[in-house]
Amino acid sequence: NAGVTQTPKFQVLKTGQSMTLQCAQDMNHEYMSWYRQDPGMGLRLIHYSVGAGITDQGEVPNGYNVSRSTTEDFPLRLLSAAPSQTSVYFCASSYAWNTYEQYFGPGTRLTVT
Amino acid sequence: ILNVEQSPQSLHVQEGDSTNFTCSFPSSNFYALHWYRWETAKSPEALFVMTLNGDEKKKGRISATLNTKEGYSYLYIKGSQPEDSATYLCACNAGGTSYGKLTFGQGTILTVHP
Repeated sequence: NAGVTQTPKFQVLKTGQSMTLQCAQDMNHEYMSWYRQDPGMGLRLIHYSVGAGITDQGEVPNGYNVSRSTTEDFPLRLLSAAPSQTSVYFCASSYAWNTYEQYFGPGTRLTVT
Repeated sequence: ILNVEQSPQSLHVQEGDSTNFTCSFPSSNFYALHWYRWETAKSPEALFVMTLNGDEKKKGRISATLNTKEGYSYLYIKGSQPEDSATYLCACNAGGTSYGKLTFGQGTILTVHP
C-alpha cells in the first residue's frame, strides 16, 4: 500500500493564482481531511469528508474548496491564492472519523508571493 | 471550535530522564482522544487512540492515560532517548457542533539531550 499520497511536494504561487493540491489514499478509508500547519498554530482543520459525496467545513475553510467524488481522492482547491495561505498542507485519512487513528500524507509546502 | 490545550509548550530533558506531558479537552460530548508523534521533516504518526475513562495504553517506553470526567490525558515517556525528540500532539473527537472534526492541540516539543 502507498498509504496517503500528496502532490506536489512544493509549490510557489503568485497572489491571485489558483491551484489544486492532490490527495489520494489506497486504504479504502471513508474519512479524509485537510489540515494546514503554521508556526505556533498547530494543525488546523480546513475541510473534511466522512465519505464519497459528503464534505464539510473545518476550522479555517475560507479560500478553499473541496470535493469527494471517489473514496480514494480528496483534492483541495485554492481559488485565488493569498500570502496568508502560505503554509504546509497535510492530507489525512482514517477508517472512520472518531475512534480510528489518522494516517497523514507527506505534506505540501506552499508559498504564495 | 473545541479548545484542546497542551502543556508544556516545550521541554528539554537529559537522556535517561522520564517525562510527561498534559493534554486537556472539554469533557462534554467526548468521543476519543488521540496522541501523535511528529518528527521534524516527517508526517505525524499515531501513538494511541483512547475512548474510555480510565483507559491506559502502552507502546514500548511510552504510555498514556485518559480521564474523560475531568477532561485530561497524560503522555509518559520512561527513560527518554535522543530518538524520542519530536513534537507530541494530542487531538480530540467530540459530538455536537464538533461532530466529524478532529481538533488538535498546539503540541509539546520534546528535546532529549545525550
